[in-house]
Amino acid sequence: EVQLVESGGGLVQPGGSLRLSCAASGFTVSSNYMSWVRQAPGKGLEWVSLLYSDGRTYYTDSVKGRFTISRHNSKNTLYLQMNSLRAEDTAVYYCARVDTTGSYFDSWGQGTLVTVSS
Amino acid sequence: EIVMTQSPATLSVSPGERATLSCRASQSVSSNLAWYQQKPGQAPRLLIYGASTRATGIPARFSGSGSGTEFTLTISRLQSEDFAVYYCQQYNNWYTFGQGTKLEIK
Repeated sequence: EVQLVESGGGLVQPGGSLRLSCAASGFTVSSNYMSWVRQAPGKGLEWVSLLYSDGRTYYTDSVKGRFTISRHNSKNTLYLQMNSLRAEDTAVYYCARVDTTGSYFDSWGQGTLVTVSS
Repeated sequence: EIVMTQSPATLSVSPGERATLSCRASQSVSSNLAWYQQKPGQAPRLLIYGASTRATGIPARFSGSGSGTEFTLTISRLQSEDFAVYYCQQYNNWYTFGQGTKLEIK
């Protein structure tokens, strides 16, 4: 059974940093496309970042230069390093597996809440 | 960026009846469209991809149609567990989601 479990969220001041983790089971992270998707409180879904199996990374414009997606193969874990955080980054962050064609999100974690506030 | 617009924002339907949700793309996305269901406090769940293919384990009462810029999600014979928020998502050019349609009990 595919399972994704996020952790690492919390309250951080503007300008601060946070690293989110997503522990996967039931499949191999390094063999799949993986993404982070966020949802601001009471709002819709927004794609944040994508990590290809070959290591290529992509980001939505609003987080370029501030966020870094990565993985640890032996831990089968996906990460999102978030620096220079802003109030508008406040959201629930979901880890999601992307289907083999890089198209839709076929499995999701339960999410972890990041709150950026002073 | 491709903008996805869903309508209506809220849909009130009685259990046992049919619900029809719409999604429009600002430019053609071919059939590169997915639908998700999200219940309060839960992660989204994939329902439909390729505009009309049900994901694994999704009941047959969920069906998707459309191509290009106009898409529809139909839920026939609504059950209590179907009342939730539904999002469409295009993957023709990166990924963008609609703002969601809340399906509530009438």
